[in-house]
Amino acid sequence: AQSVAQPEDQVNVAEGNPLTVKCTYSVSGNPYLFWYVQYPNRGLQFLLKYITGDNLVKGSYGFEAEFNKSQTSFHLKKPSALVSDSALYFCAVRDFTGFQKLVFGTGTRLLVSP
Amino acid sequence: DTAVSQTPKYLVTQMGNDKSIKCEQNLGHDTMYWYKQDSKKFLKIMFSYNNKELIINETVPNRFSPKSPDKAHLNLHINSLELGDSAVYFCASSLFGTSVEETQYFGPGTRLLVL
Repeated sequence: AQSVAQPEDQVNVAEGNPLTVKCTYSVSGNPYLFWYVQYPNRGLQFLLKYITGDNLVKGSYGFEAEFNKSQTSFHLKKPSALVSDSALYFCAVRDFTGFQKLVFGTGTRLLVSP
Repeated sequence: DTAVSQTPKYLVTQMGNDKSIKCEQNLGHDTMYWYKQDSKKFLKIMFSYNNKELIINETVPNRFSPKSPDKAHLNLHINSLELGDSAVYFCASSLFGTSVEETQYFGPGTRLLVL
């Protein structure tokens, strides 16, 4: 079965510093990976996805993610964090059981301090 | 012009009651989903419908019954509510449900509290 792991419950970073939110995956076959963000009391918003091609994927709000096949990782990054980036971030992988569903990681809370 | 909408936003009810949550998408998508987010923020799929037909049913108690009157709507009815049903329920949709490239778009969630 496809799965993703987010090893950090929380990441703290100062505004203006680079941020990384980690995700590793375990799949049989090709990985199709997604990042979503959940702001307080809001739904999930799509940030970016890796399907194939360039290992560096650019997404919304200045976020990007680096796909690393040898390390089975898909870490989310941003060069300069904003306080407004504080939210819950979910990594997800596509599961291929017939019609496709997303299997989510446990989420990482990002706190950006002023 | 909300893409995926859910009603109600909040739902507080007593144990044993029956309640429904509604979801509508105006994206023209064929496939819709229900996900449950528990108190620890863990997200798990419950159901998926493609063009009004049930496709995924993830070991959910049969007190939960999804209904899709048309491909733009997917409702969730819950019978005999239990304390453990307290969660945030998210509706989502995607274009076909079959392509690996598809993005799922989520609604704002319905916060259910069972007392």
